[in-house]
Amino acid sequence: EAGVVQSPRYKIIEKKQPVAFWCNPISGHNTLYWYRQNLGQGPELLIRYENEEAVDDSQLPKDRFSAERLKGVDSTLKIQPAELGDSAVYLCASSLWGDTGELFFGEGSRLTVL
Amino acid sequence: GQNIDQPTEMTATEGAIVQINCTYQTSGFNGLFWYQQHAGEAPTFLSYNVLDGLEEKGRFSSFLSRSKGYSYLLLKELQMKDSASYLCAVRDKPHGGYNKLIFGAGTRLAVHP
Repeated sequence: EAGVVQSPRYKIIEKKQPVAFWCNPISGHNTLYWYRQNLGQGPELLIRYENEEAVDDSQLPKDRFSAERLKGVDSTLKIQPAELGDSAVYLCASSLWGDTGELFFGEGSRLTVL
Repeated sequence: GQNIDQPTEMTATEGAIVQINCTYQTSGFNGLFWYQQHAGEAPTFLSYNVLDGLEEKGRFSSFLSRSKGYSYLLLKELQMKDSASYLCAVRDKPHGGYNKLIFGAGTRLAVHP
């Protein structure tokens, strides 16, 4: 069974540029999460989807971050414009349904903003 | 508020036993999880405790005391491949809200020959 797939694995951009990350969850997983992980820290939740609905986006910086999950499968996370402090690993995770706590993570997209 | 504390780094010897502690404070505790994360890789699920006591899974065991806000992960017969970060995560359910998994900063374990 294929795991959670993310792309790109690495992205280097200059500040004020836009960037987008893509995630394909495990087939059949209704719940999808985007986390941000700074160096030496644990992952922090940005947004959680149940199918197409964003049920928790309280920690998403909405002035520059946006996300969508059309058709309840793939998801994209966008940052526009990027700032130096956005440099981090952006992790996508999925779970069967609800928040069981057993999340399956993708390998992440490492963003460097110069 | 929510707070999860675990040691930043630990070292141990191959074949030995190591215990990684985690203390937490949350408003709506609903389970505690341990994840393993090798450098540059995704976190992977290790264990889950919702009731007090010890859960054993092969070389790994996890303990929970809800009254003390305390958990530990016990790794036995350490192998070099166990060198990784171990993340303690608490599932918190604030009043009227959704479950949310909150991660600690992780404990970086180095296993030496």
